[in-house]
Amino acid sequence: ETGVTQTPRHLVMGMTNKKSLKCEQHLGHNAMYWYKQSAKKPLELMFVYSLEERVENNSVPSRFSPECPNSSHLFLHLHTLQPEDSALYLCASSQDRTSLTYNEQFFGPGTRLTVL
Amino acid sequence: GQNIDQPTEMTATEGAIVQINCTYQTSGFNGLFWYQQHAGEAPTFLSYNVLDGLEEKGRFSSFLSRSKGYSYLLLKELQMKDSASYLCAVGDSNYQLIWGAGTKLIIKP
Repeated sequence: ETGVTQTPRHLVMGMTNKKSLKCEQHLGHNAMYWYKQSAKKPLELMFVYSLEERVENNSVPSRFSPECPNSSHLFLHLHTLQPEDSALYLCASSQDRTSLTYNEQFFGPGTRLTVL
Repeated sequence: GQNIDQPTEMTATEGAIVQINCTYQTSGFNGLFWYQQHAGEAPTFLSYNVLDGLEEKGRFSSFLSRSKGYSYLLLKELQMKDSASYLCAVGDSNYQLIWGAGTKLIIKP
């Protein structure tokens, strides 16, 4: 138990569906992250929020839309996805986005997404 | 470009020692992290190095050489539960973590 929860754990959706992934952190952290993890590939950073403000958007297609209503919650809204978007989507949080000392990220268990 | 290299897979025997290497080329350096990820689970933090040298934490140690762009994770007295993927990540000049693809470690009895 890392203090970061994600729902749902598994999701199967068609290309025309709209769904949302939810992440909640109970650690009092100020920064939250969405990552995509595909088999045998490095973690891909999708979005970073710091104090509820989006600070990074790494060229992610517009079919992925993040939302951070407060410092404890993060959503990833999905619409008209493609089969190649099937992956494990991980949420993480850290105390701050920048720090001169280490800034460990705590990960949630992830949502395994399958797009048919 | 930014790049993290680590072996794809390694096999070791229970009770033995294994060293997992990581080499990196990044724009800036704000520390190197090692994470452990069991199949179907979240990555969990193992170690952080920002200065050259060896950091020891129980059975696990992590080494860093900034001049060589090189790190390793050393696991001693291997146990079956150490079977997992080990992820190397480097903080770049923007404090983003650049991740390697991970090394899958298989422990055999």
